[in-house]
Amino acid sequence: AQKITQTQPGMFVQEKEAVTLDCTYDTSDPSYGLFWYKQPSSGEMIFLIYQGSYDQQNATEGRYSLNFQKARKSANLVISASQLGDSAMYFCAMRAYFGNEKLTFGTGTRLTIIP
Amino acid sequence: EAGVTQFPSHSVIEKGQTVTLRCDPISGHDNLYWYRRVMGKEIKFLLHFVKESKQDESGMPNNRFLAERTGGTYSTLKVQPAELEDSGVYFCASSPDYGGREQYFGPGTRLTVT
Repeated sequence: AQKITQTQPGMFVQEKEAVTLDCTYDTSDPSYGLFWYKQPSSGEMIFLIYQGSYDQQNATEGRYSLNFQKARKSANLVISASQLGDSAMYFCAMRAYFGNEKLTFGTGTRLTIIP
Repeated sequence: EAGVTQFPSHSVIEKGQTVTLRCDPISGHDNLYWYRRVMGKEIKFLLHFVKESKQDESGMPNNRFLAERTGGTYSTLKVQPAELEDSGVYFCASSPDYGGREQYFGPGTRLTVT
């Protein structure tokens, strides 16, 4: 079984500051993938970044980076130079790398960027 | 290229009624998934189609939920009869191949059962 824990239900961050959204996970799968999705107020789920459990380097996509600490089972999302448009719900998710493809999600963190 | 589309965007029905949600995946995507988010809780997996076959339906809550994907294109999720606890946002996602990295999500259908 897989479990994702996001302990920050809400965060307020000043514009242009960096922000870290926490995510810890638990799984018995030897190989797995970790994902972050953004859900703005319009409702759609936008894929942000992916980290494979065997990837040697932390994933980066523009202003997004994933701080992957395998021993601690954490996959925190870091957003650099936050913008007003970053205000949204953020979901951490995971799935087994092979076989079952369903995503297991956390409860999400609502991020609000303050001008 | 059109993204995943879902219809309707919002549905309000009374307890005991029937509702059918539709999902059109990205063209050519064999994998189609249904998820649900009940207010304030995590998004939970319902089921996974590969083409027209149900690959995994372990997340379907009970037999009031029926999913179909005739012809391997669009999918429908029928709730009959609806109960209050079925209220939530139903998401559909698709991906192009087995083990594909990213699932592309639709905008969701907000279902309210009164």
